[in-house]
Amino acid sequence: DQQVKQNSPSLSVQEGRISILNCDYTNSMFDYFLWYKKYPAEGPTFLISISSIKDKNEDGRFTVFLNKSAKHLSLHIVPSQPGDSAVYFCAASGGSNYKLTFGKGTLLTVNP
Amino acid sequence: DTGVSQNPRHKITKRGQNVTFRCDPISEHNRLYWYRQTLGQGPEFLTYFQNEAQLEKSRLLSDRFSAERPKGSFSTLEIQRTEQGDSAMYLCASSIRQGETAFFGQGTRLTVV
Repeated sequence: DQQVKQNSPSLSVQEGRISILNCDYTNSMFDYFLWYKKYPAEGPTFLISISSIKDKNEDGRFTVFLNKSAKHLSLHIVPSQPGDSAVYFCAASGGSNYKLTFGKGTLLTVNP
Repeated sequence: DTGVSQNPRHKITKRGQNVTFRCDPISEHNRLYWYRQTLGQGPEFLTYFQNEAQLEKSRLLSDRFSAERPKGSFSTLEIQRTEQGDSAMYLCASSIRQGETAFFGQGTRLTVV
């Protein structure tokens, strides 16, 4: 039973355009959501997070949107840069459950 | 560099051998987590420490796996009698308190041949 789902295994965009990565979750107890970026053979690098009391959080080129009623969140990257090419993981935690539950990741390729 | 540090970065071992990995968390972080990532999957939770106390172990952590965090500082993860199915990236993360962002180390890539 996968509680965090990233249904797009890969996404390809042109440099300068917007990248939109999507994530769905099923566990209503989740109240904290994070996005991590991962290069091959490296550990995940924290990008941005959002608490369930918010519906948007912005940090530079990265914005995360949360739709609690739809149990959906998305990461927007504007403008996309070739250095953004990596695997992006959505993760969630909640309540007294401190551990992170990850999706399977989306491979983003930004073409020059 | 004051991030999470993991050693070794890579480990190749023969099936049946024991291996031990080390994680040094960010110094003021009292929570430490171990995760495992296999190809095509996201990281999966293995175990969690608050200071020196191991508070939860996933059912993924068989009896061959043991983790310690003496004195609430660094942590070790030992795998006894390794099997080919243990081949994965083992990731350590730390956070300052519950609900705060967990920061990951660079991982230890284990290959069992």
